[in-house]
Amino acid sequence: KNEVEQSPQNLTAQEGEFITINCSYSVGISALHWLQQHPGGGIVSLFMLSSGKKKHGRLIATINIQEKHSSLHITASHPRDSAVYICAVRSYRDDKIIFGKGTRLHILP
Amino acid sequence: KAGVTQTPRYLIKTRGQQVTLSCSPISGHRSVSWYQQTPGQGLQFLFEYFSETQRNKGNFPGRFSGRQFSNSRSEMNVSTLELGDSALYLCASSSVHKPGTANTGELFFGEGSRLTVL
Repeated sequence: KNEVEQSPQNLTAQEGEFITINCSYSVGISALHWLQQHPGGGIVSLFMLSSGKKKHGRLIATINIQEKHSSLHITASHPRDSAVYICAVRSYRDDKIIFGKGTRLHILP
Repeated sequence: KAGVTQTPRYLIKTRGQQVTLSCSPISGHRSVSWYQQTPGQGLQFLFEYFSETQRNKGNFPGRFSGRQFSNSRSEMNVSTLELGDSALYLCASSSVHKPGTANTGELFFGEGSRLTVL
């Protein structure tokens, strides 16, 4: 079993829909990162969380440390949000970064 | 502010050769980490450097090595290349405030170096 699990693996939605991507992890962490990667493009950091909730524009990220779970929400989704979203955690024990397999999001116009 | 710069962007090597990739972090960032991305395995952590010292290392063979210079620029080297080393190699920099704590800094990624091994 992977130490970082994301769901769903693939998601197709209509423009304007509310999107939720989930990340569950099994190790103690010092931080959790949400990353975005467009096809053929580089990786952009969206959020770094250690507790609570952060909001940036139409993006919201939450984390529940006790439940070892984080969610990334996209409100009023747009075709330009189509990308792979990757959850990554920094392990508290050895400071290494562990990645989820990513969620491929496709927003239809 | 200039972003993270990786060179070369693309390169082709043959089995048995060695390769060196370079990463220049954002000015002022002292932490540089390296990652391998493949279609099958996704993103995997290679190693991380802070102030010229390797802080930690992922589960890769000793053929993968790296170093960081006093100006925070970093290089990674892969010796005796294998076909399976074909991948996108990414580096990221961060301004680490307190290593080993939650204040490890947001990661800023370069565009990557795409290595093809024939």
